[in-house]
Amino acid sequence: DAGVIQSPRHEVTEMGQEVTLRCKPISGHDYLFWYRQTMMRGLELLIYFNNNVPIDDSGMPEDRFSAKMPNASFSTLKIQPSEPRDSAVYFCASSPEGYNEQFFGPGTRLTVL
Amino acid sequence: QKEVEQNSGPLSVPEGAIASLNCTYSDRVSQSFFWYRQYSGKSPELIMSIYSNGDKEDGRFTAQLNKASQYVSLLIRDSQPSDSATYLCAVNRVKLIFGTGTRLQVFP
Repeated sequence: DAGVIQSPRHEVTEMGQEVTLRCKPISGHDYLFWYRQTMMRGLELLIYFNNNVPIDDSGMPEDRFSAKMPNASFSTLKIQPSEPRDSAVYFCASSPEGYNEQFFGPGTRLTVL
Repeated sequence: QKEVEQNSGPLSVPEGAIASLNCTYSDRVSQSFFWYRQYSGKSPELIMSIYSNGDKEDGRFTAQLNKASQYVSLLIRDSQPSDSATYLCAVNRVKLIFGTGTRLQVFP
């Protein structure tokens, strides 16, 4: 079975540009999570969805960040406008149930110049 | 107090030894606990989950949970150089709360 799929794997952009990260969760998983990892702050949850509905977005750093899940097999995380401090690895993870194991995608390494 | 605390390490052990990784958490209502392994430049990989007090063994890995002491540990027996990675403890309240990880180095 395919795991969580993320694209792109690497993204380099300039400050002020819009960035869109994509995620396809494992089929049948009802929960989808977006995380950000930096050396300074470790792994942080940004937002999670249950059955395509955003449940908790308290980790979204500011209004420049938005996330959508239009259907059960696709989610996007958008940053507009991007800033150098957004540089990090962004992971998507999915889970069959809320308190069960979460499975991570390979991540997108974002560099904002 | 951080919600999930781990010693950042590095923890250095010789090949063949037992590596012991520890984690404490602050929320008494937490029910699900996980250990993830993360190699440099890779994503976290689930290696153990534990839900009830006591020990859970899977191959060379043993997870130990003590809810009264709010303590979770991971033992790696017969450590191998390929075990060298960062080990992340996570507490699940639907959203995973991660510790900062312990870097393990296994030297030949």
